[in-house]
Formats: sequence, structure tokens, C-alpha cells
Amino acid sequence: SYVVTQSPSLSVAPGQTATITCGENNIGSKSVHWYQQKPGQAPVLVIYYDNDRPSGIPERFSGSNSGNTATLTISRVGAGDEADYYCQVWDGSSDRVVFGGGTKLTVL
Amino acid sequence: DVQLAESGGGLVKPGGSLRLSCAASGFTFRNHAMSWVRQAPGKGLERVSSISGSGTNTYYGDSVKGRLTISRDNSKNTLYLLMNSLTTEDTAVYFCAKSLHHDPPDVFDFWGQGTMVTVSS
Repeated sequence: SYVVTQSPSLSVAPGQTATITCGENNIGSKSVHWYQQKPGQAPVLVIYYDNDRPSGIPERFSGSNSGNTATLTISRVGAGDEADYYCQVWDGSSDRVVFGGGTKLTVL
Repeated sequence: DVQLAESGGGLVKPGGSLRLSCAASGFTFRNHAMSWVRQAPGKGLERVSSISGSGTNTYYGDSVKGRLTISRDNSKNTLYLLMNSLTTEDTAVYFCAKSLHHDPPDVFDFWGQGTMVTVSS
């Protein structure tokens, strides 16, 4: 079955750029979605279909997807961005939703 | 505004049953696939089950096939999850999630706050 891989953690200084990746063979052929989840809260969609932003999500959040890696980029990171971030794909061949294991972003 | 309100969680013994509900408002319910996504304590997200906007198509994760049944009542704007033969592995927060489209349930643009299910003797 389809599996996507995320690094478990990432630490970034305030004001810097966070780059969170989601890897799998030929993930570029699928659409990737990204969710932010803060402790005790429900997930929030921050990027969908690789690089679209829902209304209300700051332009600091952007996405890309090519080859074997999809990327969520958060520029000018602040304390409010500290959260778990999950990538997700729809595997149309099996009608399955697949989540990555999540990346915990810590703002130093 | 879109609102999703889950209910029905609680403590249940192994082998028991539970029915979760999700009351939806603020959008045309029948036009959107809906899903249940769970999160075990300290763990990641797992899609449990999804259903198309009309209810025609249903989807299940491998770990719950045959034990859980998803359904919806579009006249009541409500999503359900009937859970049977529960095990301790089913202990989790269960989120109701709305999809962008009628089908497939490929992306979740809004989530409820979740309801906790604890399976323990």
C-alpha cells in the first residue's frame, strides 16, 4: 500500500524559513495536501492540491510537489507556527487516504 | 460559517459498540463527501472511513473494515459512524471532516473538534 514519509521533527529560529518534506516514490504524480495541528486542536488545512492556499491562510505558507518529494514552506516563521504538520495524499488506485506520520515544528 | 459538531464518544468495554454522530451546518451538506479521521493518543492521523455526498460510495481503512459502518442522513445534515467489536486499538479522538467535493473524499477542508472514544475494561 502507498506510504508517505515525513521527518519527525524540525527546529527553526524565529524569522527563518521552515521546509517540511513529504517523500514517496513518484509523489509528484499525486496531489498533496498539508494540515497544521496545534496541541489539543483539530487539524487545519493550510495547503491543498500541492500549492493552493485556503482563504485565511497567510501567504507565508506555500507548497510544491515534484518527483519523489512534496514540500511545505513556511517563511518568516513565528511562535504561532509551532505545531504538527501532516501531509496527505489520495491514492486513487486503491481509493485510500494516506497521511504522513507528521512533522513537529519547533520555533526556537 | 461551516460547523461540524461530533457527539457520541465515551468509555466502552472491549467488544462493545458505539455510534458517533456529526451534525453539520453552514454548507450544502449533500454536495460534499464526509469522513471520519481518528487520532490515537500521541499518534498521527488515520482516515477511518469516508462517504460520498449522495451516500452511494463508502470507503474504509483496512484496520476497521467489517467492524465500522459509515452512513449519512442528508435530510438531517448528519454523518454517522457505527462502531462494533471495539478493541483497545480503537481508542482515539474521532474527528468529522468535510471534503471539498462530492466524491472522492480526497482532501479535508474543514474539521470538527473531535469526540473521544476510550475502549477499556
